[in-house]
Amino acid sequence: QSALTQPASVSGSPGQSITISCTGTSSDVGAYNSVSWYQQRPGKAPKLMIYDVSNRPSGVSNRFSGSKSGNTASLTISGLQAEDEADYYCSSYTNSVTLVFGPGTKVTVL
Amino acid sequence: EVQLVESGGGLVQPGGSLRLSCAASGFTFSNYWMSWVRQAPGKGLEWVANIKQDGSEKYYVDPVKGRFTISRDNAKRSLFLQMNSLRAEDTAVYYCAHTSTAGRWAFFENWGQGTLVTVSS
Repeated sequence: QSALTQPASVSGSPGQSITISCTGTSSDVGAYNSVSWYQQRPGKAPKLMIYDVSNRPSGVSNRFSGSKSGNTASLTISGLQAEDEADYYCSSYTNSVTLVFGPGTKVTVL
Repeated sequence: EVQLVESGGGLVQPGGSLRLSCAASGFTFSNYWMSWVRQAPGKGLEWVANIKQDGSEKYYVDPVKGRFTISRDNAKRSLFLQMNSLRAEDTAVYYCAHTSTAGRWAFFENWGQGTLVTVSS
């Protein structure tokens, strides 16, 4: 059950768009449309931002969007705001009937 | 409002045991899969285990297989994680998590506040 791959950090200026990648394999990301993204602020529980590749839960800003191509999923944050500064984790269902997370990406708003 | 409240964490010696509990409210507990997710200090998230609505199916991440057991009591709206043969690498905040989407379990919009398990001599 290997972890997914994410960049350690991504940064951008307010108003810009940034994209975080999440690379898996044909046994997880590439096999299922069951990729999710979480935002986590220090000392807090994770918050679901995207599920099933591109669906936003109620209450999540439409500045957050998700997509997938092959074994790589992506989270795009448009119109970057100071409040978006946090750690972001992707996860994927796997063919072992388990769930695997990425190592997390620290987003910094410059 | 969905609420998940974990308890049972603490300091335990290597090789010891601990039982975590998660009290659920605000939804029909018996209708949904439930999961445990952990996070080691300063590290990322790791899914640990999940259990089907009636307890008939359970799945675990490889590092805890044979040592951890997930269970539930639908009458008491409670989820449990029995952790045996604990190791230093099991040190983490353990979260109880679930989705309100019926029949699904691989994403979580509801999380508890977490309970810290520290394995150290």
